[in-house]
Order: sequence, then structure tokens, then C-alpha cells
Amino acid sequence: TQLLEQSPQFLSIQEGENLTVYCNSSSVFSSLQWYRQEPGEGPVLLVTVVTGGEVKKLKRLTFQFGDARKDSSLHITAAQPGDTGLYLCAGVRRETSGSRLTFGEGTQLTVNP
Amino acid sequence: GAGVSQSPSNKVTEKGKDVELRCDPISGHTALYWYRQSLGQGLEFLIYFQGNSAPDKSGLPSDRFSAERTGGSVSTLTIQRTQQEDSAVYLCASSSYIHSNEQFFGPGTRLTVL
Repeated sequence: TQLLEQSPQFLSIQEGENLTVYCNSSSVFSSLQWYRQEPGEGPVLLVTVVTGGEVKKLKRLTFQFGDARKDSSLHITAAQPGDTGLYLCAGVRRETSGSRLTFGEGTQLTVNP
Repeated sequence: GAGVSQSPSNKVTEKGKDVELRCDPISGHTALYWYRQSLGQGLEFLIYFQGNSAPDKSGLPSDRFSAERTGGSVSTLTIQRTQQEDSAVYLCASSSYIHSNEQFFGPGTRLTVL
């Protein structure tokens, strides 16, 4: 059973389109993060959300943490080919030790010119 | 160095052989994490270190997997008697303190067991 369900798993869109990626769980998370990973590299942190209902914006990317801290979404406006990559959500569960991250399966995004 | 480094970047081995994967964290980072990533998938937690101690080894898949960290710096992940299902990318991350929200990842070691 995947603790963090991420959807969709694959997304192929045209440049200029908008998209939303979802990350859902039945567990409560102390914080939730979004990473982007390119082939042959490790994930790179995009944002951390901590407070229920929190919304953060990073240029054309908008991240939201659910009120109950069980889900999150990533919205990209006017996608560009440079946005192509594997997007991963990851959370720190309250009941686990340290800051070990629980990851979703990822969303492979392809933005076509 | 400026970031987390891992070696080797690629490792091809035969089933049954032992392998050692190395991680050099960012200097001064006290927390170190090992994750495993299967092709195109999310990351699976293996183990983390706070200093040289490993408070949580719960993610290690079997007793063929072990890890150590010395001097609060370099860590080695050892897989004994490798199996084909061990094939994956092994990623290391470090953070400045155990409750830091930000983990910095290395590029990973791609392990292929033939």
C-alpha cells in the first residue's frame, strides 16, 4: 500500500497548457515537500509546506497543502518544455522518527514544444 | 565539495557478489539518509544516520543490507549476495540537522545485478 498516492503517473501536454498534479494520503503529515528530478540526478527540492491550507507560489508553480495536512497539489501555469521532469511529493509523517521522507510514486511530466 | 557526492555512479555486478556504495555528505551535515529508487518510481527509505548512529534501520529490505557511517561524515551501504531485485538507483541525502525539512540529494549510484 502506497502511503502517498500521486496522480497522474504520466502527463504529456503541449507548451502553454496548465496542469495539476495531486498527492493524497490517509495519513497526516508534519510537512510535505515537492521535488523535481531529472534523469541521472537526485531530486531537487522545490518547496516545503507546513501549515494546513498553506499556499506557496514559485513563479508559474503553485503548491497547496490541504487543510487536514493529508494532501497536496502542484499546479503549473503555462507549462514550458523546461518543466519536463519527474515530480515527486514527499512527506514527513508525525509518527516516524527523524525526518525520513515518505515519497509518492512520482508524476512524469513531458511538455512538448 | 559543494554538494552530496556518491560513488560509483554506475555499478554492474553478478548475482551473488557483494557491493559497497559510498556517500560523501555535505560538510557539517549531521543527518544522512539512504533511499532506493526503482526505475521511474518514487524513493523508498532505507536507513538514516544521526552522526554515526542509525536510529532507524526499518527500511532495509533484508539482512543482506547494512550501512555504516564513520567520523560523522562518509557513509557506506553494503549489499551482500546481491540479487537481481536489488537493481535500482541508490540515493543518499544529507541535511544540516535531524529535524531539518530540507534534504540535499546526491546523483545516486545505479546498481545493475546481472
